[in-house]
Amino acid sequence: GAVVSQHPSRVICKSGTSVKIECRSLDFQATTMFWYRQFPKQSLMLMATSNEGSKATYEQGVEKDKFLINHASLTLSTLTVTSAHPEDSSFYICSANLAGPGETQYFGPGTRLLVL
Amino acid sequence: KQEVTQIPAALSVPEGENLVLNCSFTDSAIYNLQWFRQDPGKGLTSLLLIQSSQREQTSGRLNASLDKSSGRSTLYIAASQPGDSATYLCAPENYGGATNKLIFGTGTLLAVQP
Repeated sequence: GAVVSQHPSRVICKSGTSVKIECRSLDFQATTMFWYRQFPKQSLMLMATSNEGSKATYEQGVEKDKFLINHASLTLSTLTVTSAHPEDSSFYICSANLAGPGETQYFGPGTRLLVL
Repeated sequence: KQEVTQIPAALSVPEGENLVLNCSFTDSAIYNLQWFRQDPGKGLTSLLLIQSSQREQTSGRLNASLDKSSGRSTLYIAASQPGDSATYLCAPENYGGATNKLIFGTGTLLAVQP
């Protein structure tokens, strides 16, 4: 099956620092990747849709200058949490479509971010 | 705006029981609906995908049904096992312009007791 990886799996940082999270499709090309955030005991909330070679589309209420997304290749999308604060602490998960809309999304293992 | 609700929020059953997880959604204009499993602190594993034109899908001990017009889907798990313990999420996929979007429910936390 299609495999999506994320790096790092866990990060602890001080308030004010920036954190970059990578999402890679290991055995397929993904023109579209998705970034989700999940707070404890809550469901996944879509943050943005990452399109290869173009600007990401952000969901309402998600600050694009706070959460920078770059999708420079068909196998890599990055999410940078700029000037992280404790309220940004969450579980960040990416996913990718194997064959476009309507098909199964394959999810990465997630990145646990803790901002002190 | 699509809103997805899952009932029950939590469920604890003894091993071997058959059980039903419920999902309801407010916007029936969906492309498909997927059921996922999430283990604690982990990503998601896709279990079943039902296209909007389909009524049900089966995979092993899992059977998912879809009634698009009434905005409901159920996940049936037969002969539950301790290894089935996880959070189960349903996610209808809505048309989102250039790219469709998955909207996730709140999840059902399942515990199967040995």
